[in-house]
Amino acid sequence: GAGVSQSPSNKVTEKGKDVELRCDPISGHTALYWYRQSLGQGLEFLIYFQGNSAPDKSGLPSDRFSAERTGGSVSTLTIQRTQQEDSAVYLCASSLRRTSGGQETQYFGPGTRLLVL
Amino acid sequence: AQRVTQPEKLLSVFKGAPVELKCNYSYSGSPELFWYVQYSRQRLQLLLRHISRESIKGFTADLNKGETSFHLKKPFAQEEDSAMYYCALSTISGGYNKLIFGAGTRLAVHP
Repeated sequence: GAGVSQSPSNKVTEKGKDVELRCDPISGHTALYWYRQSLGQGLEFLIYFQGNSAPDKSGLPSDRFSAERTGGSVSTLTIQRTQQEDSAVYLCASSLRRTSGGQETQYFGPGTRLLVL
Repeated sequence: AQRVTQPEKLLSVFKGAPVELKCNYSYSGSPELFWYVQYSRQRLQLLLRHISRESIKGFTADLNKGETSFHLKKPFAQEEDSAMYYCALSTISGGYNKLIFGAGTRLAVHP
């Protein structure tokens, strides 16, 4: 079946503009994660969704960042008033919800490369 | 504090040489650890998890709770192993698991 998809694959924007990044998880995966991959910084957790609710938003770096998920499927990460330090690759992952024991494997999308000029 | 440390940003070896990518973790609970790999122009994917105790593409990793380590090893590196490797720790937070990743190690295998 289709894997996790993300759009756009690349986004160049000007400082101060808003951007929306989209993630389509694997069908049937109820858990969805957003990460940010910066050069030399590894993967930084941003937010987690279980269904449409986000029990953990602790990783969002500022109130300029927000995310929503509708219909338990597609998720959108919005960055308002972008800054140059927001430039990074934004990765989305999805997994089945763990029902007992062990972490379910997270399947990653190809990422959106964001460049803020 | 929950943390994953990969001390080497770059590991450069020749084909056929042994490889060890280091990973240390800090976690007060019972750890569940993973290695993810990202080949050039491909998406991040799971390589192996300590629970499975399996060997994938010749790689193995043993959880050492005494040393809080989960080093990734392969006895004979191949050129196709060149990639970015991330060690990840699964932590329980608010009733669900999330992954904490290390900064990654780039493995370069030369002919």
